Amino acid sequence: SYVLTQPPTVSVGPGKTARITCEGNNIGSKYVYWYQQKPGQAPVVVIYYDSDRPSGIPERFSGSNSENTATLTISRVEAGDEADYYCQVWDSLSDLYVFGTGTKVTVL
Amino acid sequence: QVQLQESGPGLVKPSETLSLTCTVSGVSVSSASYFWSWIRQPPGKGLDWIGYVYYSGSTNSNPSLKSRVTISLDMSKNQFSLKLSSVTAADTAVYYCARVDGHKSGPEYFLHWGQGTLVTVSS
Repeated sequence: SYVLTQPPTVSVGPGKTARITCEGNNIGSKYVYWYQQKPGQAPVVVIYYDSDRPSGIPERFSGSNSENTATLTISRVEAGDEADYYCQVWDSLSDLYVFGTGTKVTVL
Repeated sequence: QVQLQESGPGLVKPSETLSLTCTVSGVSVSSASYFWSWIRQPPGKGLDWIGYVYYSGSTNSNPSLKSRVTISLDMSKNQFSLKLSSVTAADTAVYYCARVDGHKSGPEYFLHWGQGTLVTVSS
């Protein structure tokens, strides 16, 4: 089955840039979606189709995807960005939806 | 606006069947544009996709759960449901229902989610 691997934690100072990676075999051939989940809440999609932002998501959130790594970048990090972040793909070969292992972003 | 709401018992005994319902408002579950999905999250752990149902009745589920999972639609009530049989403590989780969207391709991502419901498996 398809596996997506993320770093467990990323720590960043306020105003700095956080980069969260999502590694998967040839992930660049798939669309990648990113979700933000705050404690006690359902996940919210912050990036879809690798790099597009849904309405209401700040421009500080951006995404890229190439070869075996997708990246979510959060610029000018704020305290409110502290959350768990998950990547997700649809694996067309198996018709399965796969989530990454998740990354906890801590704002120092 | 689209809303989803999970409902069902919060406590299930080991070896029994977990049953949850997701009530949808603001959109019809009979729409051909979306899949309807269940996702779970064990306490302190990551997200785990369970499966989906389509308006046609077709379904697919995570191979790790496939033998125990049944997902179905009730168009008359605008609901879809999850049944997970032979549960153990490892099935204790927050269960979310979600709509699967895709405006560039087929349904690929989860745009609308329910608030989630905690189901504990314990005697």
